Amino acid sequence: SQQGEEDPQALSIQEGENATMNCSYKTSINNLQWYRQNSGRGLVHLILIRSNEREKHSGRLRVTLDTSKKSSSLLITASRAADTASYFCATDIIQGAQKLVFGQGTRLTINP
Amino acid sequence: DSGVTQTPKHLITATGQRVTLRCSPRSGDLSVYWYQQSLDQGLQFLIQYYNGEERAKGNILERFSAQQFPDLHSELNLSSLELGDSALYFCASSVPREGANTGELFFGEGSRLTVL
Repeated sequence: SQQGEEDPQALSIQEGENATMNCSYKTSINNLQWYRQNSGRGLVHLILIRSNEREKHSGRLRVTLDTSKKSSSLLITASRAADTASYFCATDIIQGAQKLVFGQGTRLTINP
Repeated sequence: DSGVTQTPKHLITATGQRVTLRCSPRSGDLSVYWYQQSLDQGLQFLIQYYNGEERAKGNILERFSAQQFPDLHSELNLSSLELGDSALYFCASSVPREGANTGELFFGEGSRLTVL
């Protein structure tokens, strides 16, 4: 089964609004990463947050991590049409054969 | 451009056939990862190599095999292909950081395999 699960599976908002996506995971991690994928293209790394960090910012992106709840959120502020993509969380788990495990993704659509 | 090159971009073949997908990692990256992305299974980790040696194994079928060569490029071999093997196959590379921790992965554009 997947280590990470994103919520919601799909999100549609108006341009200029903020978009929040959530990720839950099951086992202890070294870090958690967020990636973006435009339709049918390769994934692009957005941000990495270590297990001892609680919040991280990068431009219009804000990521939080709550290891006690095994959850993370990605906030995109002032969304743009170009932000339309799928967003995946990925966990670097401490034990096990799989080193970077991806969730199912959130499909984000920004309406102009 | 991530610096990771995958060939071929598209491949159409028949059930029972064998194909080889190739990946050239970013210059200097020692680790190569292979992932399979299908509509119903999401992004599944297959296998990881580090400097020529297998380092981690995920949900890779016995019909699939991979290797990393001395020049660090990698190949994923898929044999006895089935309809369900149709998917996007991604290669990613990284430089290991902080010991065993996995850092940022750089993905190629993928190889789209269609099995008819």
